[in-house]
Amino acid sequence: EAQVTQNPRYLITVTGKKLTVTCSQNMNHEYMSWYRQDPGLGLRQIYYSMNVEVTDKGDVPEGYKVSRKEKRNFPLILESPSPNQTSLYFCASSFRGGPLQPQHFGDGTRLSIL
Amino acid sequence: QKEVEQDPGPLSVPEGAIVSLNCTYSNSAFQYFMWYRQYSRKGPELLMYTYSSGNKEDGRFTAQVDKSSKYISLFIRDSQPSDSATYLCSAGGTSYGKLTFGQGTILTVHP
Repeated sequence: EAQVTQNPRYLITVTGKKLTVTCSQNMNHEYMSWYRQDPGLGLRQIYYSMNVEVTDKGDVPEGYKVSRKEKRNFPLILESPSPNQTSLYFCASSFRGGPLQPQHFGDGTRLSIL
Repeated sequence: QKEVEQDPGPLSVPEGAIVSLNCTYSNSAFQYFMWYRQYSRKGPELLMYTYSSGNKEDGRFTAQVDKSSKYISLFIRDSQPSDSATYLCSAGGTSYGKLTFGQGTILTVHP
């Protein structure tokens, strides 16, 4: 089954404790992206990757890091999480053409930073 | 001001009603417009995709873009309870790889 898998689905942690949210897709997609979703603000793009070893900033990259060492994986790293990073996070992927092709989204990771 | 603005609602309509969902955008460089549907506790899924101005129809759904007024619309005919979801408009084309979403409109269709 074609899917985008995020882990963990839920996480409660404390300020300053480094964490990584993994994202993996099994569709051989070139494009992958991370979004955060907050009430009243909608989905905002954090980082995206057009292909392996190619990443770029979205609209809200501060406080986040990403890497794309393999085509299927695109982890999101919070080196020193803060309470304002409490949010619902989505990873997405699409075939060539970036976000202008239909994006397949994961089911989300709800992060709470205390 | 967000580049893509969307009334968050919530919007509640009876089954069978015609639903109109709307967004405005400020960046003239946007060329691609998409509507995503998001059910509770799930990721968004692409519903409609349009390029530049014009209409696109797919079953009960019609997407409309008016670039002169920077207005994006989604119409749902004969709405069903299964259409209850959050609808997100989005726009792209300013920078390869970037996509900007509106806030999302929560729609409830009651039997």
